[in-house]
Amino acid sequence: IAGITQAPTSQILAAGRRMTLRCTQDMRHNAMYWYRQDLGLGLRLIHYSNTAGTTGKGEVPDGYSVSRANTDDFPLTLASAVPSQTSVYFCASSPKLAGGMNEQFFGPGTRLTVL
Amino acid sequence: GESVGLHLPTLSVQEGDNSIINCAYSNSASDYFIWYKQESGKGPQFIIDIRSNMDKRQGQRVTVLLNKTVKHLSLQIAATQPGDSAVYFCAETFPGSARQLTFGSGTQLTVLP
Repeated sequence: IAGITQAPTSQILAAGRRMTLRCTQDMRHNAMYWYRQDLGLGLRLIHYSNTAGTTGKGEVPDGYSVSRANTDDFPLTLASAVPSQTSVYFCASSPKLAGGMNEQFFGPGTRLTVL
Repeated sequence: GESVGLHLPTLSVQEGDNSIINCAYSNSASDYFIWYKQESGKGPQFIIDIRSNMDKRQGQRVTVLLNKTVKHLSLQIAATQPGDSAVYFCAETFPGSARQLTFGSGTQLTVLP
C-alpha cells in the first residue's frame, strides 16, 4: 500500500513548456488537493476536488488546471510554465466524510524548476 | 482574508527538554485544527488534531492546547528528541470553507544535542 504517490520526483522545465504532475492515491479517498510550497509562505492550495468528476479553485489557481476522471488520480497541468511556478508541489487526499473533519494525507512532493 | 500564523519562525531546544510551538489564528469560525510535521524533503505528516469544542488533546508525547478566547493554539512536545527536528505547521478549517485547510507558514524546530 503506497498511500499517495507523485511523479516525477523532480523536474527542470523550460519556460513555455507544458507539464503535468501526476498524483495517485490508493486509499479510495473522496477529496484530493494540490498545494505549492514556497519558502516562507507555507502551503497554498492550488486546486481541489471533493469527489471524482468535480474540481474547484483554491487560493492560487492561475496558470494551473486539474482533472478528476476517477477517484484515484488527480493530475495537475501547467499549460505554459513560467519561472514563478518554480516550487515544490504536494498532492494530498482526504476521506472527507460527510460532516467529518478534514485530515489530509500528503504525498512526497514534486520539486519543479522552471527556467 | 483569514489567515493562520505562527509567532516564531524558528525554535531551538535541548534534547530531552519540552518544546512548545505556538500558532495564532484569526478566524473565530474555525472549528478544527491540525498540526503537521514536515521533515526535510518530505511531505507534511499528521501529528494531532483538535476540534473547537475541546481545550486540550493529548497524543504520544504531544499535546495540543486550544484557547478560543485569544484564538491561539500550541503544540507541546515532551522530551524532545533529535527525530523531532522538522518544520511544524498548524492548519485550520471552518464551516463554509468546503473543509479546506489553511496553513500557517511553519516553525522550524531544531533539537540540539
